[in-house]
Amino acid sequence: SQQGEEDPQALSIQEGENATMNCSYKTSINNLQWYRQNSGRGLVHLILIRSNEREKHSGRLRVTLDTSKKSSSLLITASRAADTASYFCATPRSFSGAGSYQLTFGKGTKLSVIP
Amino acid sequence: SQTIHQWPATLVQPVGSPLSLECTVEGTSNPNLYWYRQAAGRGLQLLFYSVGIGQISSEVPQNLSASRPQDRQFILSSKKLLLSDSGFYLCAWSVSTGMGSNQPQHFGDGTRLSIL
Repeated sequence: SQQGEEDPQALSIQEGENATMNCSYKTSINNLQWYRQNSGRGLVHLILIRSNEREKHSGRLRVTLDTSKKSSSLLITASRAADTASYFCATPRSFSGAGSYQLTFGKGTKLSVIP
Repeated sequence: SQTIHQWPATLVQPVGSPLSLECTVEGTSNPNLYWYRQAAGRGLQLLFYSVGIGQISSEVPQNLSASRPQDRQFILSSKKLLLSDSGFYLCAWSVSTGMGSNQPQHFGDGTRLSIL
């Protein structure tokens, strides 16, 4: 079953603009992760933010986490054509009911950056 | 540095034929290993994960199976493929420290499987 949901499903912006993607989830989490997937390729890990963190930066990426609203956002500043990809949030959920937690991924936001 | 290899990159198989997809990891030991399937325009569905040799966990009932014959080798198999098995199959690994969901996962480049 799905835990995280990204919004919007698709986003098209001009190069140089900022892109913001949102993720909402349903149950309490101890961390949330963002991944990028270029067309036809595997996912690449971008950022992991823990539940006791509110904001995290990595280069042009800024991730926020609001546990009271069960939501996270990914901001890409000064976007480039190479940022064109799908972006997924991933959150832990109980797996197999055996005390194990595994990541569950949303359907992603498809970002298109127009040169 | 660690690398993950998946093959083949693309595969076209007839309905009812067997399947074997292989994934190997280099540069780390005792990793957690994962098989995911991604349908077009959908998120990832976790099929199997493994915390050690011979240890496989699965949640979704299906005609697929997984095996881990060596520490850094993970194999996805089927005896008879169905049309619904079409999709993009991704292998991933993470370090085994702590809970698997607390660690970043590192993905291979996937296998595009088409069933005819």
